[in-house]
Amino acid sequence: SQQGEEDPQALSIQEGENATMNCSYKTSINNLQWYRQNSGRGLVHLILIRSNEREKHSGRLRVTLDTSKKSSSLLITASRAADTASYFCATDAGQGAQKLVFGQGTRLTINP
Amino acid sequence: NAGVMQNPRHLVRRRGQEARLRCSPMKGHSHVYWYRQLPEEGLKFMVYLQKENIIDESGMPKERFSAEFPKEGPSILRIQQVVRGDSAAYFCASSPGQGSRSPLHFGNGTRLTVT
Repeated sequence: SQQGEEDPQALSIQEGENATMNCSYKTSINNLQWYRQNSGRGLVHLILIRSNEREKHSGRLRVTLDTSKKSSSLLITASRAADTASYFCATDAGQGAQKLVFGQGTRLTINP
Repeated sequence: NAGVMQNPRHLVRRRGQEARLRCSPMKGHSHVYWYRQLPEEGLKFMVYLQKENIIDESGMPKERFSAEFPKEGPSILRIQQVVRGDSAAYFCASSPGQGSRSPLHFGNGTRLTVT
């Protein structure tokens, strides 16, 4: 079964609004990563947050991590049409895991 | 710096043929991962390789699928006797260290269509 589950599966908002996507996972982790995928392309790494961190920022992106609830959120502020993409969280599936396990993703559409 | 290069971008095979997918990792990266993605779905882990070694192949089907990452040359994902269910996008990713602890750099994938 998938380690990470994103919510919602799809999100459509107006340009300029904020977009929030959530990710829940099942086992303990060392870190959690967020990726973006534009249609027909490979994934692009956005942010890595370690298990001992609670919040991380990168430009218009803000990621939070709550290890007690086994959940993370990705906030995109002041969205732009170019932010339209699928967003995936990925975790290392627990102690000693050497691979990243991806969720099903959130399809984000920014309407101009 | 060239990114992760995958070829071909599109591959059409008839049922029963073999498919060979190639991946050249970023320069300096010795860790390679292969993932499969069905339309509108997430990525499913297949295999993790370092130079000349398979580290984790827990996501690979037991039959018909194999992967290698030789000392020289690209990593190869090989699918023998393809079936329609093998149709998917196959992505390769590389990292300088263990991918679970550092970001992965992805190629743009090979889209396999089995007719």
